[in-house]
Amino acid sequence: EPEVTQTPSHQVTQMGQEVILRCVPISNHLYFYWYRQILGQKVEFLVSFYNNEISEKSEIFDDQFSVERPDGSNFTLKIRSTKLEDSAMYFCASSAGQGNDGYTFGSGTRLTVV
Amino acid sequence: DQQVKQNSPSLSVQEGRISILNCDYTNSMFDYFLWYKKYPAEGPTFLISISSIKDKNEDGRFTVFLNKSAKHLSLHIVPSQPGDSAVYFCAAKGFGNEKLTFGTGTRLTIIP
Repeated sequence: EPEVTQTPSHQVTQMGQEVILRCVPISNHLYFYWYRQILGQKVEFLVSFYNNEISEKSEIFDDQFSVERPDGSNFTLKIRSTKLEDSAMYFCASSAGQGNDGYTFGSGTRLTVV
Repeated sequence: DQQVKQNSPSLSVQEGRISILNCDYTNSMFDYFLWYKKYPAEGPTFLISISSIKDKNEDGRFTVFLNKSAKHLSLHIVPSQPGDSAVYFCAAKGFGNEKLTFGTGTRLTIIP
């Protein structure tokens, strides 16, 4: 079964530092997403990415966040200057097409900002 | 902004019985609904979905019912098995919209 791979599984960073979360989506998928879940809260949409550009983003995804697909396989989320409230599980997901797919999620990266 | 609500944070069901998980939504622009299952330290796993043009979709032990007039959907699992113990999220999306809006989840515990 193809899967979405995320690294690292856990990242601890100091407030104000930059972090890059990495994802390898399923190889034939075209749409890529980042979601996050703050502890005890619901899973929230951050951004979707298609054809090398952001197709949709939420109000959470401010100027501190950026996404990139630097090569044919990786999809990254960068947080420029982390804040304590960025501590959360970050999930990458991918889908084969826009529409009513059940997106495939990765296992997540737990980001802890201290 | 709770467009998708799961009012029961937890549910315990005897093994072999039916589990019914409920979800309500407020946004009438949602036209597709999905259920995900999540184990600790894993990402959400897609279970089953339903389009707004249907009122029922079945896949093995899982059935999703949609009541558009009540803006309510439910997931039925029958018979419930110990491996079904997990957190279940309902999610919704609008036509032509990519993002999923998730509920807060219901922790299902199957009692052997």
